[in-house]
Amino acid sequence: DGGITQSPKYLFRKEGQNVTLSCEQNLNHDAMYWYRQDPGQGLRLIYYSQIVNDFQKGDIAEGYSVSREKKESFPLTVTSAQKNPTAFYLCASSMSTGPDIQYFGAGTRLSVL
Amino acid sequence: AQKVTQAQTEISVVEKEDVTLDCVYETRDTTYYLFWYKQPPSGELVFLIRRNSFDEQNEISGRYSWNFQKSTSSFNFTITASQVVDSAVYFCALSEGVMGGQNFVFGPGTRLSVLP
Repeated sequence: DGGITQSPKYLFRKEGQNVTLSCEQNLNHDAMYWYRQDPGQGLRLIYYSQIVNDFQKGDIAEGYSVSREKKESFPLTVTSAQKNPTAFYLCASSMSTGPDIQYFGAGTRLSVL
Repeated sequence: AQKVTQAQTEISVVEKEDVTLDCVYETRDTTYYLFWYKQPPSGELVFLIRRNSFDEQNEISGRYSWNFQKSTSSFNFTITASQVVDSAVYFCALSEGVMGGQNFVFGPGTRLSVLP
């Protein structure tokens, strides 16, 4: 069953703590993305990756970091520098970073304790 | 800069009514792609349709139909005979040129509630 798996579904962060959100895909897609969704708003791009070992900042990259060591995996770390991390985080993938259809995971809801 | 506007924040209809969700976009490119996604309460965005700027034909898929009008920069989505399962947030999105990636912009979404 091909798709995108995000974990955990819910995550809580303490002050000063870094947390990592997992995103795995088995669609053999080259491109992967991380979006942030705040209530009543659209999706905003945090980071995207066109290929293994390469990634680019999106519109709101400050306070976040990513890695792309494997084609299947694109984890997102929310660092302590991100002062307002409470949001719904969505991972997506597509064949390439052209105007290809992006397929999404079920999301991770991050809250601050 | 590219932009997507979905002026309807929330819409409520009674089951079996028809409903149209509006999407207006701005772009300077002559080549672009428009998308609609559905986000049910579970949270995952589900792809519905992609349309390129050179194809203005309207499309129908079951109870769903899309009206693309370049003259008004609109790509509206109509659900015929709505059902409770159609309740979700619907996003319109725009991708300019052939770059995608950072050039993929989502509108703010329209929350549709279909009441039994």
